[in-house]
Amino acid sequence: AQSVTQPDARVTVSEGASLQLRCKYSYSGTPYLFWYVQYQRQGLQLLLKYYSGDPVVQGVNGFEAEFSKSDSSFHLRKASVHWSDSAVYFCAASIPSGSWQLIFGSGTQLTVMP
Amino acid sequence: DPKIIQKPKYLVAVTGSEKILICEQYLGHNAMYWYRQSAKKPLEFMFSYSYQKLMDNQTASSRFQPQSSKKNHLDLQITALKPDDSATYFCASSQENTEVFFGKGTRLTVV
Repeated sequence: AQSVTQPDARVTVSEGASLQLRCKYSYSGTPYLFWYVQYQRQGLQLLLKYYSGDPVVQGVNGFEAEFSKSDSSFHLRKASVHWSDSAVYFCAASIPSGSWQLIFGSGTQLTVMP
Repeated sequence: DPKIIQKPKYLVAVTGSEKILICEQYLGHNAMYWYRQSAKKPLEFMFSYSYQKLMDNQTASSRFQPQSSKKNHLDLQITALKPDDSATYFCASSQENTEVFFGKGTRLTVV
């Protein structure tokens, strides 16, 4: 069965530091991949998406992610985090020819220390 | 302006009762979904609809019934409510199998 794994439940970084949040997927082909952010008690907002092509995709607010087929990964990165980036980040995948459901990882709680 | 409207924002229900969660989207999308977020399962797919037809149902219980009266509406009826149904229910939409947009959710508490 397809699955998405986010191995880090919590990540704490200092403001201005770089960030990487890890995501691995399990699927024999290449899924569509997404990162969403959820601020406290809010809905989910799409940060970026990958369908095909250039493995590095740019998103909003300086976020980017890199797809690796060999590693089955789609890690999220940011060069310099701000305190307002504190939130829960979800990696998600969908199967291109499937029922369009998103399969979510368990999320990573990011805390940015001032 | 929110493009996916969910009502109500908060809902408290008594065990055994029935509630309807409302969702309307104004993005012109052809697909709509329901997801559930609880402490036990962070984000869980429930249903997908395309052009008002059910595409996929990953909800084991028949107590959960989506209702699509218009192409931009997908309500969720929940019967015989249980405390375990307490969660935040998110409605979402997309155009075909592309990026999915989420509403702000309905937080349901069953007492």
